[in-house]
Amino acid sequence: EAQVTQNPRYLITVTGKKLTVTCSQNMNHEYMSWYRQDPGLGLRQIYYSMNVEVTDKGDVPEGYKVSRKEKRNFPLILESPSPNQTSLYFCASRPLGRGTQYFGPGTRLLVL
Amino acid sequence: AQSVSQHNHHVILSEAASLELGCNYSYGGTVNLFWYVQYPGQHLQLLLKYFSGDPLVKGIKGFEAEFIKSKFSFNLRKPSVQWSDTAEYFCAAGGNAGNMLTFGGGTRLMVKP
Repeated sequence: EAQVTQNPRYLITVTGKKLTVTCSQNMNHEYMSWYRQDPGLGLRQIYYSMNVEVTDKGDVPEGYKVSRKEKRNFPLILESPSPNQTSLYFCASRPLGRGTQYFGPGTRLLVL
Repeated sequence: AQSVSQHNHHVILSEAASLELGCNYSYGGTVNLFWYVQYPGQHLQLLLKYFSGDPLVKGIKGFEAEFIKSKFSFNLRKPSVQWSDTAEYFCAAGGNAGNMLTFGGGTRLMVKP
């Protein structure tokens, strides 16, 4: 089954404790992306990657890092989480060009 | 900078009522437009998309949207809503290069049985 998976689905942490949210897709998509969803703001793009070792900033990259060492994986790293990063995070992937974008199930993060 | 506006934040309808959700975009260059739906507790699913050609686009579950270039709009419509259409709807715009996708703030639709 074609899918995008994220782990963990729920996470509570404290300010400053580094964390990683994993994202994996099994569709051999070149393009992968991370979004955060906040009430009234819709989804805002954090980072995206056009292919292995190619990443770029989205609209709200501050406080986040990503890496793309393999085509299927695109982890999101919060080196020093802060309460304003409490949000619902979605990973997505699609083929290059005009292909449909598939979203993961979301990771709900609470930073205390 | 590109932007997408959804002016209706909350919409409440009765079953069988007609639906129209507004979406306006600001984008330089050729634009691709999308509507996504997010059912409670679920991830986003694509309802329909417009890249080029016929400005009236039909999607899944009886939804359609019309691209009106002169109005920078891509409104979502459904002639008769059902209780199962209760969800949050997001309009999104992106360029042909497909690097970035900008979402609107979302519209929460509640359909009363």
